[in-house]
Amino acid sequence: DQQVKQNSPSLSVQEGRISILNCDYTNSMFDYFLWYKKYPAEGPTFLISISSIKDKNEDGRFTVFLNKSAKHLSLHIVPSQPGDSAVYFCAASYFGNEKLTFGTGTRLTIIP
Amino acid sequence: DTAVSQTPKYLVTQMGNDKSIKCEQNLGHDTMYWYKQDSKKFLKIMFSYNNKELIINETVPNRFSPKSPDKAHLNLHINSLELGDSAVYFCASSPPRQNNEQFFGPGTRLTVL
Repeated sequence: DQQVKQNSPSLSVQEGRISILNCDYTNSMFDYFLWYKKYPAEGPTFLISISSIKDKNEDGRFTVFLNKSAKHLSLHIVPSQPGDSAVYFCAASYFGNEKLTFGTGTRLTIIP
Repeated sequence: DTAVSQTPKYLVTQMGNDKSIKCEQNLGHDTMYWYKQDSKKFLKIMFSYNNKELIINETVPNRFSPKSPDKAHLNLHINSLELGDSAVYFCASSPPRQNNEQFFGPGTRLTVL
């Protein structure tokens, strides 16, 4: 029972363009969402998060959008840079439950 | 100065053996976790400890036993290793407030032959 889904296993984007990574969830109890970035042979690194009381959170080139009615969130990276090439994981949690439920990841490749 | 460290980074062993993976964090966090990333790249929580006390224990075979000697360390001991235990194991920690990011170690790739 996969409660957090990333339906695109891979995505290729030209350098300088916008990268959009998508994530869907099924558990309506989730109220906090995070994006992690992972390079090969390293652990996931926190990128950006959003609480369910917001619909947008921005940090530099990274913006996360949350659509609670659709149970959907997306990560926008603009402009995309070669160093952004990595696997991106979406994760979710809810108040009172400290565990993170992860999606299966999307491999982003930025083409120079 | 690594925040969350794990040893060893790679572990190759035979079926039936017992092995341990160690994790240490120097962030002063109260909560530590073990995650397993399987061959399908699915990252799933196994255990969580808060201040040396077990708070999350997902459906994990009892061959897996976490041990937290102090709040900066969370070790994972695995008895009678099986082929299906081959995976990458990640340790993580987080500060003591709700809805916060977790900081991950570099992972331990376990291969059972």
